[in-house]
Amino acid sequence: NAGVTQTPKFQVLKTGQSMTLQCAQDMNHEYMSWYRQDPGMGLRLIHYSVGAGITDQGEVPNGYNVSRSTTEDFPLRLLSAAPSQTSVYFCASSQGSNQPQHFGDGTRLSIL
Amino acid sequence: AQSVTQLDSHVSVSEGTPVLLRCNYSSSYSPSLFWYVQHPNKGLQLLLKYTSAATLVKGINGFEAEFKKSETSFHLTKPSAHMSDAAEYFCVLSGGSNYKLTFGKGTLLTVNP
Repeated sequence: NAGVTQTPKFQVLKTGQSMTLQCAQDMNHEYMSWYRQDPGMGLRLIHYSVGAGITDQGEVPNGYNVSRSTTEDFPLRLLSAAPSQTSVYFCASSQGSNQPQHFGDGTRLSIL
Repeated sequence: AQSVTQLDSHVSVSEGTPVLLRCNYSSSYSPSLFWYVQHPNKGLQLLLKYTSAATLVKGINGFEAEFKKSETSFHLTKPSAHMSDAAEYFCVLSGGSNYKLTFGKGTLLTVNP
C-alpha cells in the first residue's frame, strides 16, 4: 500500500517557468489537500478538494491552480514561478475533516 | 476562528528524561486535535488523535496527550526521551465542516545524550 505519493522529490525552476507537482493516493480518500511549509511558519493550506470535481482555496492560494478529475490524483500547478514560491510542498489525504491526514514525503522546490 | 499556539518553538531534553510539548487551541466547534511528528526531510506522521472520546490519548512510540477543555490545552508528553524522538512536532486542530486544518508553528525537540 503506497499511501500518498508525490513527484518529483526535488525541482529547481527559473523565475517565470511553469510546472506541475503530482500527488496520487491509493486509499480511496475523498479529501485531499496541498500545503507549503516554510521555516517558522508551520504548514499553510494552499488548496483542497473534498471529492472529484470539487476544489476550494485555502490560506495561500495565489499563484497556484489545482484540479481533481479523479479520486486518486490532485496535481498542483505553478503557472509562473516566483522566488517567493521556494518552499517544501506536501500533499495529504484523509477520509474526512476530522480524520487523520496521510502525508506524502514532500517536494522540495527552489525557484531562482 | 480557529487557532493553535505551540508555546515553545524549541525544547531540549536529555535522553531518559521526560518530554513536555505544550499546545493551546481556540475553536468555536467541538475540536478534533492531532499531534504529528516530522523527521528531517520526511513528511508528517500521525502520533495520536483526540476526537471527543477519552481525554487521555495514547499514541505511538510511548507518547500521550491529555485534552483539557477548561484550559483549552492538548499537551504532548513522554516519560522518557529517546534519541530517535529528536524531530519537529506539530499540534493540529480540526473543527467544523469546512475540512480545513489549523497547524501550530511547530516545536523542535532536541534530545541530548
